[in-house]
Amino acid sequence: DQQVKQNSPSLSVQEGRISILNCDYTNSMFDYFLWYKKYPAEGPTFLISISSIKDKNEDGRFTVFLNKSAKHLSLHIVPSQPGDSAVYFCAARNDYKLSFGAGTTVTVRA
Amino acid sequence: DTAVSQTPKYLVTQMGNDKSIKCEQNLGHDTMYWYKQDSKKFLKIMFSYNNKELIINETVPNRFSPKSPDKAHLNLHINSLELGDSAVYFCASSQGADRDDQFFGPGTRLTVL
Repeated sequence: DQQVKQNSPSLSVQEGRISILNCDYTNSMFDYFLWYKKYPAEGPTFLISISSIKDKNEDGRFTVFLNKSAKHLSLHIVPSQPGDSAVYFCAARNDYKLSFGAGTTVTVRA
Repeated sequence: DTAVSQTPKYLVTQMGNDKSIKCEQNLGHDTMYWYKQDSKKFLKIMFSYNNKELIINETVPNRFSPKSPDKAHLNLHINSLELGDSAVYFCASSQGADRDDQFFGPGTRLTVL
């Protein structure tokens, strides 16, 4: 009963191009959505979040879009850099609990 | 100057043993968490403490017992370890229970043989 799903386990993108990561959810009670980035042998680090009352939030190269009617969010990274190569987790919050997706591994090619 | 630290980083043990994982945060946060990352890579919340009080207790076997001696520490004790307990366990902290920006430790990889 995974409530947060990342259907693409991996994504390969050329340096300088846009990376688009997708996430779907099922629970309409989620009030915040987040993206975390994880390097090997490290814990996830918070990247960007968006409230359920908004449809876009931007922070530098990172933009998160929320489509509540479709229960879908996406993370855009522009331009992609080699240091962006990592696993990206989508997460959603309800009642102080975070539910995570399984992650998407992003590889940025030089 | 590590923000959230966990010890040990790796733990290999036999079935039936009892083990503990320690977590400490030096961020002055009020809330701490334990997550389990299973073989399918999903991170699942296990417990959360806010100011040393348990606020989240997911459906976790009672062989798992968290202990928060103070706001900066949240330890996880596991009794009678089973093969299915093998996973990576992450500790995290946040300024408050309603904050979304949780800070994670590096994880403890537990292997039960």
